[in-house]
Amino acid sequence: AQSVTQPDIHITVSEGASLELRCNYSYGATPYLFWYVQSPGQGLQLLLKYFSGDTLVQGIKGFEAEFKRSQSSFNLRKPSVHWSDAAEYFCAVGTRSGNTPLVFGKGTRLSVIA
Amino acid sequence: DTGVSQDPRHKITKRGQNVTFRCDPISEHNRLYWYRQTLGQGPEFLTYFQNEAQLEKSRLLSDRFSAERPKGSFSTLEIQRTEQGDSAMYLCASSLSTSGNTIYFGEGSWLTVV
Repeated sequence: AQSVTQPDIHITVSEGASLELRCNYSYGATPYLFWYVQSPGQGLQLLLKYFSGDTLVQGIKGFEAEFKRSQSSFNLRKPSVHWSDAAEYFCAVGTRSGNTPLVFGKGTRLSVIA
Repeated sequence: DTGVSQDPRHKITKRGQNVTFRCDPISEHNRLYWYRQTLGQGPEFLTYFQNEAQLEKSRLLSDRFSAERPKGSFSTLEIQRTEQGDSAMYLCASSLSTSGNTIYFGEGSWLTVV
């Protein structure tokens, strides 16, 4: 069975600074990987996904993530954070068949300070 | 709005009462998922349907939980004899079975059991 670890529960960055959120997964085969963002009291919005090919994937809102098989990681990055990026971020792992549901990490809460 | 729709958004109920949540998926999506999310945690998978068939229900939390998707369109999640521990956000998501687990979430239904 697949699993996801997000080592950082809470991160605070200054507006305009760069951001990296960590995600490590466990899965025996090639995973499908996702990042979602959740604002307080809202559902989850898909930021980006990795299925195959180029290991650096671009998403919405200026986010990108890099798949590193050797490190079992899929870290999310943004070069310059905006105050509106403050939210909860979830990494998820799925399978190629799609017959097993996505498994989510516990999330990283991002705070942005002026 | 062609996204996933959930109703009601908020529900407060007394312990022991039954509650039902409804989810309308994105219209062309044949898969529908239910997840539960408690404070500080990531979404936890409950069950999913492909068309009207419930393909996985072993993760439903107890026999008080049941879900239906009678015509392969909307779905309902019912919790009988609610307990305070059932207080959580119940998230619905949908996908195409050919999309490799790319699921799109609704805004969620908050349940508070008093």
